[in-house]
Amino acid sequence: QQQVKQSPQSLIVQKGGISIINCAYENTAFDYFPWYQQFPGKGPALLIAIRPDVSEKKEGRFTISFNKSAKQFSLHIMDSQPGDSATYFCAARPGGGATNKLIFGTGTLLAVQP
Amino acid sequence: KAGVTQTPRYLIKTRGQQVTLSCSPISGHRSVSWYQQTPGQGLQFLFEYFSETQRNKGNFPGRFSGRQFSNSRSEMNVSTLELGDSALYLCASSFLTAGANVLTFGAGSRLTVL
Repeated sequence: QQQVKQSPQSLIVQKGGISIINCAYENTAFDYFPWYQQFPGKGPALLIAIRPDVSEKKEGRFTISFNKSAKQFSLHIMDSQPGDSATYFCAARPGGGATNKLIFGTGTLLAVQP
Repeated sequence: KAGVTQTPRYLIKTRGQQVTLSCSPISGHRSVSWYQQTPGQGLQFLFEYFSETQRNKGNFPGRFSGRQFSNSRSEMNVSTLELGDSALYLCASSFLTAGANVLTFGAGSRLTVL
């Protein structure tokens, strides 16, 4: 119930292509769904986030698509660049109040080939 | 604006020892949370503090503890270290709100237990 399942584990995309990472959850009480990007030797950094009352959010080349009925959400990276090569984590926040507790997916290692 | 500062960045301990990790949040952030990152388990929530009070705790044994000081700086302690405690320990700070809170992570403290 408290898990977030993320796929694929790794992804190789050509420069200029679209990277798609998927996440699924069970707990309908989750109220906030961020995506984090992590480079080697660094901590995760917030990339983009969405709330369950919104079906899509776009920020530059990054888009979250959210399907509340299917309990799935995905990250799309358009025009992928070598600098996007990193590990991406989806996450979900348990509802019920202000908290920084996040349940993270297992991560996707993205490699964008030039 | 300085980011989240974690010290030490790297440390090596032996089984049975204890370790204390430190985190200085972004100025003005009163909420600090801790996560453990391992290749096998990914990012797992340890605990969070707000105004010196522990608000939430993850599913970790009592060997893991933390505290927050009046200046919002936080420490976490792991006693009787086990080999499985080897991990990257990440601290994150934020304004704690019921809305879309943004966690800013530090670079982490990499603990190796021999």
